[in-house]
Amino acid sequence: DTEVTQTPKHLVMGMTNKKSLKCEQHMGHRAMYWYKQKAKKPPELMFVYSYEKLSINESVPSRFSPECPNSSLLNLHLHALQPEDSALYLCASSQARAGGLGEQYFGPGTRLTVT
Amino acid sequence: AQSVTQPDIHITVSEGASLELRCNYSYGATPYLFWYVQSPGQGLQLLLKYFSGDTLVQGIKGFEAEFKRSQSSFNLRKPSVHWSDAAEYFCAVGNTGGFKTIFGAGTRLFVKA
Repeated sequence: DTEVTQTPKHLVMGMTNKKSLKCEQHMGHRAMYWYKQKAKKPPELMFVYSYEKLSINESVPSRFSPECPNSSLLNLHLHALQPEDSALYLCASSQARAGGLGEQYFGPGTRLTVT
Repeated sequence: AQSVTQPDIHITVSEGASLELRCNYSYGATPYLFWYVQSPGQGLQLLLKYFSGDTLVQGIKGFEAEFKRSQSSFNLRKPSVHWSDAAEYFCAVGNTGGFKTIFGAGTRLFVKA
């Protein structure tokens, strides 16, 4: 099974709301990633977890809060977002060996709209 | 600094014609190279990867890519394009600094009947 699942598929939220994005994989990967992708742009790395520990935070604003409850799950908690945060949020996973140089497997994404 | 360049923002080919998407990278060591494809509103799907060994790499959906160290290139090819190949294609390099994949800006492929 090479599938990464993400829920919800679409999310519309107001600037005062709190919501969460969820990601799950069952490939035994120990590295998991959150990316943000704007239209017609490549994915931008936000966070990386390796063995359930936060390894990389690409200076993401604190209104985005990641969480890795176990080796299969990755959450992204959202609070007080801005309209410019509207984007496609992608989750990915990979082997953690060799510093995660291996290929990443991506989920279908959550299309987030902030109103 | 590592970088990936995809010189073509978009390419249009006729269905049944051959395809070559260009990718150039800048990297100090032996690179780990990837091609991903993304259909509108979808996640990225890995087409193929190069880590070492044979410089001609076969991937899914009839795609192949050739690693040329002397030209710092990793071009993607397909002998006969299908309408379903219309998508965004990203070339990427694995960063030995750890866990970061550097993506090119992407090439949008249009297929005309």
